[in-house]
Amino acid sequence: NAGVTQTPKFRILKIGQSMTLQCTQDMNHNYMYWYRQDPGMGLKLIYYSVGAGITDKGEVPNGYNVSRSTTEDFPLRLELAAPSQTSVYFCASSYIVDGYTFGSGTRLTVV
Amino acid sequence: DQQVKQNSPSLSVQEGRISILNCDYTNSMFDYFLWYKKYPAEGPTFLISISSIKDKNEDGRFTVFLNKSAKHLSLHIVPSQPGDSAVYFCAASAPRAGSYQLTFGKGTKLSVIP
Repeated sequence: NAGVTQTPKFRILKIGQSMTLQCTQDMNHNYMYWYRQDPGMGLKLIYYSVGAGITDKGEVPNGYNVSRSTTEDFPLRLELAAPSQTSVYFCASSYIVDGYTFGSGTRLTVV
Repeated sequence: DQQVKQNSPSLSVQEGRISILNCDYTNSMFDYFLWYKKYPAEGPTFLISISSIKDKNEDGRFTVFLNKSAKHLSLHIVPSQPGDSAVYFCAASAPRAGSYQLTFGKGTKLSVIP
């Protein structure tokens, strides 16, 4: 069982560059989420989706975009990377609240 | 403004003793609470949950207590084992209000000393 797969695991970006963090789940979950975790902080919700074609902003959406064209995939797009976006990014999926399954994370550094 | 607060960044406990991790919340709409455990370089994994209709839920060595009037919950681990050393996140949601997103605390790093 793959669960939630995130790629890449690590990435270094220069200021102003763009990239897409990939997230795929194979559990047929309707709900998918993107969180970021800064050092010493909890996880903050960036964007979430309740199903294909439906996305909504979370607590910290600025500087990010998402799309959900299929049930399985929920990519997170960073446009014009800034040092403040240096963080660890976690994708998660769920059927219900109990069933949050997280990916192993993408560690992003913007220099 | 933190809606879920874990005021102890770290906790050290001797192996075999009880670990008690605390969490407070401010949003009265929260009615479902969860604990997640996170090892370095891994994503969080679900540990145990409790609905607001209960005040206690047990799963093996792990027990979560909920005090709604105080807006406080705690996770008890008995007995503590070295493999329990990890960061523990408290999380809350409001499913009866239609919100399944989790709001997380900052986490408590538990170290179990052999």
